[in-house]
Amino acid sequence: EDQVTQSPEALRLQEGESSSLNCSYTVSGLRGLFWYRQDPGKGPEFLFTLYSAGEEKEKERLKATLTKKESFLHITAPKPEDSATYLCAVAGGYSSASKIIFGSGTRLSIRP
Amino acid sequence: GAGVSQSPSNKVTEKGKDVELRCDPISGHTALYWYRQSLGQGLEFLIYFQGNSAPDKSGLPSDRFSAERTGGSVSTLTIQRTQQEDSAVYLCASSLRGAEDGYTFGSGTRLTVV
Repeated sequence: EDQVTQSPEALRLQEGESSSLNCSYTVSGLRGLFWYRQDPGKGPEFLFTLYSAGEEKEKERLKATLTKKESFLHITAPKPEDSATYLCAVAGGYSSASKIIFGSGTRLSIRP
Repeated sequence: GAGVSQSPSNKVTEKGKDVELRCDPISGHTALYWYRQSLGQGLEFLIYFQGNSAPDKSGLPSDRFSAERTGGSVSTLTIQRTQQEDSAVYLCASSLRGAEDGYTFGSGTRLTVV
């Protein structure tokens, strides 16, 4: 069964303090690994898709990387506006993927 | 439309009543998904539509839940005889072709059963 585990559950950082969020996954035939950001009271907002081990994507202060078992979301010199819940998700299946399975998220809080 | 629209944004209903939640996906997106997010919990898959058919409805929690999609566009999620455990945020998402393309989510419908 496809599974996504995120750690830590919550992370509090000082503004400017870089860190990484972890996503471990088990999937039969990875067809895509996704990172989303979710603000309170809103739907998740798409950040990145990674398709194969070794791939990296960057957007402003965020960088996502992928190995065969894990993905990391690196946050460099974060600002208070980066505070949100970050969700990792996978789509799997050898022929096609019918859905995306989500982890439970990491709640990130950046103190000014 | 420019994004995924869901209505209503909030719904309070009495236990035992039926409710209908609506989703208007991005124009041209053939795949549509419903998820449920309970307070402090992750996203729980409910059902997937490709066009008007539902090849995967494995996440519907009971026969009180049903969904349909018409014209390859608007979808309605219906919950009959609502129970307090149905209280959650119901999120709709659409995708150009399928899950590999990633989703665009709506803002959700917050359902409270009293």
